[in-house]
Amino acid sequence: DQQVKQNSPSLSVQEGRISILNCDYTNSMFDYFLWYKKYPAEGPTFLISISSIKDKNEDGRFTVFLNKSAKHLSLHIVPSQPGDSAVYFCAAARGNTPLVFGKGTRLSVIA
Amino acid sequence: KAGVTQTPRYLIKTRGQQVTLSCSPISGHRSVSWYQQTPGQGLQFLFEYFSETQRNKGNFPGRFSGRQFSNSRSEMNVSTLELGDSALYLCASSTFPGTDNYEQYFGPGTRLTVT
Repeated sequence: DQQVKQNSPSLSVQEGRISILNCDYTNSMFDYFLWYKKYPAEGPTFLISISSIKDKNEDGRFTVFLNKSAKHLSLHIVPSQPGDSAVYFCAAARGNTPLVFGKGTRLSVIA
Repeated sequence: KAGVTQTPRYLIKTRGQQVTLSCSPISGHRSVSWYQQTPGQGLQFLFEYFSETQRNKGNFPGRFSGRQFSNSRSEMNVSTLELGDSALYLCASSTFPGTDNYEQYFGPGTRLTVT
């Protein structure tokens, strides 16, 4: 039972354009949603999070949007840079229970 | 503010041995979680400690154990090592859920190789 789904395994975007990474979830009880960036053989790097009481949170080039009725969230990266090329994971948490991770989307930013 | 630190960064052990990994969370973070990362299985949750108590546990055998000290530092131990335990072990520390911004930060990991 995959509670957090990232349906696009990969995404290619040109440098300077917007990258939009999507994530769907099934458990309406999730309280928090987090996005991570990961390079091979390294631990995930925390990017941004959002509480379920909000619908938008932004931090620099990163903005996360939450649509609770659709059980959908997205991460926007503007402008995209070659250094953004990595695997991006969304994760969700309910209360004190462990984070549930999606399987990731590989973003390639082409110069 | 210092990030999550893990020691050692690399370790080579032989089957049957035991190993202890250490994690120092971000100052002020009281929750520490441990994960195992392998190419085939991805990121798998081992356990989480909060205020020296194991609060959550993943689906791993009893050979995997952990503890947390009063200063929030945590250790995990793997006894009777098997070849399949070769992996990157990640520690993560987090703010207390319930605040506006729940954030969980990962350390660089300990690369364990079992031969």
